[in-house]
Amino acid sequence: SQELEQSPQSLIVQEGKNLTINCTSSKTLYGLYWYKQKYGEGLIFLMMLQKGGEEKSHEKITAKLDEKKQQSSLHITASQPSHAGIYLCGAETVSGTSYGKLTFGQGTILTVHP
Amino acid sequence: DAGVIQSPRHEVTEMGQEVTLRCKPISGHNSLFWYRQTMMRGLELLIYFNNNVPIDDSGMPEDRFSAKMPNASFSTLKIQPSEPRDSAVYFCASRSGTGISGNTIYFGEGSWLTVV
Repeated sequence: SQELEQSPQSLIVQEGKNLTINCTSSKTLYGLYWYKQKYGEGLIFLMMLQKGGEEKSHEKITAKLDEKKQQSSLHITASQPSHAGIYLCGAETVSGTSYGKLTFGQGTILTVHP
Repeated sequence: DAGVIQSPRHEVTEMGQEVTLRCKPISGHNSLFWYRQTMMRGLELLIYFNNNVPIDDSGMPEDRFSAKMPNASFSTLKIQPSEPRDSAVYFCASRSGTGISGNTIYFGEGSWLTVV
């Protein structure tokens, strides 16, 4: 099955600093999703990347997909306390007749100090 | 849209009791996913359905767990009998399209289950 490894597992930054979270897959990436989760709440969709080299941005968050490296990165510019939470990457896989299966990495806990 | 609706939001039950979690996907969505989230294991995919048909249930922990999707607008996840190690947050998610469609997957708020 798909294995997704996120790094770092946790991150503490000062407000205003830039940061990057990485997601590496053990298999070919057909679709890579980024979600954010606040404690006690559901997952909020951030971005989805499908093509190698694709890059998407939303406000101060940018995600890139490196298909060859089977890796995606999420970059936050000038972090704010509102960015704090758990960031999860999810990937779609194809395995035999099982397709469209979405599995997730362990998550990265982001803390932003004012 | 109302979003993915899950019930109950919180449940505390005694070991050995049956637990039923419910999910109403977004109207028009034909893929539905059940996940379990714990601190130790993260977010695990339990089972997913395409057009009401279970496609992959390899993540279902054991026979105590069962999931059904009798129609396009309703799914249940049942645990019988429940055990303390089943305590977790259970999420339901849905999207339009099946397979690798590239469509956004939307999550419900989750059902917090505590088995004592």
